[in-house]
Amino acid sequence: EAGVTQFPSHSVIEKGQTVTLRCDPISGHDNLYWYRRVMGKEIKFLLHFVKESKQDESGMPNNRFLAERTGGTYSTLKVQPAELEDSGVYFCASSQDSGTGLYEQYFGPGTRLTVT
Amino acid sequence: GESVGLHLPTLSVQEGDNSIINCAYSNSASDYFIWYKQESGKGPQFIIDIRSNMDKRQGQRVTVLLNKTVKHLSLQIAATQPGDSAVYFCAENNAGGTSYGKLTFGQGTILTVHP
Repeated sequence: EAGVTQFPSHSVIEKGQTVTLRCDPISGHDNLYWYRRVMGKEIKFLLHFVKESKQDESGMPNNRFLAERTGGTYSTLKVQPAELEDSGVYFCASSQDSGTGLYEQYFGPGTRLTVT
Repeated sequence: GESVGLHLPTLSVQEGDNSIINCAYSNSASDYFIWYKQESGKGPQFIIDIRSNMDKRQGQRVTVLLNKTVKHLSLQIAATQPGDSAVYFCAENNAGGTSYGKLTFGQGTILTVHP
């Protein structure tokens, strides 16, 4: 069974540009999460999809970040326009449907975003 | 606010020794705790979890202890091997709350195992 995959693995963009990150969850996982780790900080939750719906987007830092999951399969996270402080590693995770948090979240390898 | 932190940012041990990694949390509503291992270039990998109605849970070479009184979590690795070298994160979750999918991570402890 394939794990969570993320694309690209690394992206370098200039301040003000737009970047779109993609996540493909494990097949059959209704829950999809985005997290990020900026330099020197802990991994922080961004948002949680259940199928195509946003269950919790309390961690989204501002309106420059837009996450979508059309069709309830893969998800994209767009940053527009990117700022220097957006640099970090963006992780995607997925889990089975449970209606609670008591299922293991499987993480992808992450996308390293560098904004110059 | 919620926070999960680690007492020690680095831990260096000899192969074959036992390792103990500690974690403190502040959200008394947390009811689910997880330890993750992250190797270079990879995402966090699940190691073991424990629910708040338990004090101890054992896996293969790993044991997690939960002390709710002092809001403390620890991960014990028996007979540590060089392949255990990685960054270890504790994470907590309020599985019964509205943000039930949100994991709150600690800063991470770097474990280095010397042959």
